[in-house]
Amino acid sequence: GAVVSQHPSRVICKSGTSVKIECRSLDFQATTMFWYRQFPKKSLMLMATSNEGSKATYEQGVEKDKFLINHASLTLSTLTVTSAHPEDSSFYICSARDWNRGALLAEAFFGQGTRLTVV
Amino acid sequence: TQLLEQSPQFLSIQEGENLTVYCNSSSVFSSLQWYRQEPGEGPVLLVTVVTGGEVKKLKRLTFQFGDARKDSSLHITAAQPGDTGLYLCAGDRTGTASKLTFGTGTRLQVTL
Repeated sequence: GAVVSQHPSRVICKSGTSVKIECRSLDFQATTMFWYRQFPKKSLMLMATSNEGSKATYEQGVEKDKFLINHASLTLSTLTVTSAHPEDSSFYICSARDWNRGALLAEAFFGQGTRLTVV
Repeated sequence: TQLLEQSPQFLSIQEGENLTVYCNSSSVFSSLQWYRQEPGEGPVLLVTVVTGGEVKKLKRLTFQFGDARKDSSLHITAAQPGDTGLYLCAGDRTGTASKLTFGTGTRLQVTL
């Protein structure tokens, strides 16, 4: 089946530095990808929709300059956490949907997630 | 405002017991998906339901989509420790650019 790969799985960075997270769809093309943030023992919170070849669409309350999203190809989206601070520490997950199976059956595939710790 | 409310939030049961998780909304969804997520990993799809009133079975798991397509339930028969995890419902709403709306989540713990 379709696979979405996310890298790195874990990253520890110093406060003030930037961290880039990659999300790749391995066997299908994704014009849109989604970035989520998950707090401990909580559900997924959508941060933004990554659009191939155009600007990302951010959810209300998400800082565009803090969380930079680039979707340069049909198989790769990146999320860069800029000037990271300890409060940015979280589990970040990307997702892409395979629409080749039909509009109502577009399964969402998720990356393995990235555990970001800012010290 | 959380569009999809799941209940219960947390459930701890013993192996062999049955349980039901509910996913409720005031909004209509064109389809609804159920996922299970284990710690440190991304969610994995269990099922997609698209027709009001639809019932799908996956081994010991039974999923139902409400007639009005506003709610869904997941019933697990004879729970096993391997069923432990975070269960998430997620819905597709028409006109939302293919993004899923996730439920609040139900954390299930099955002990021996």
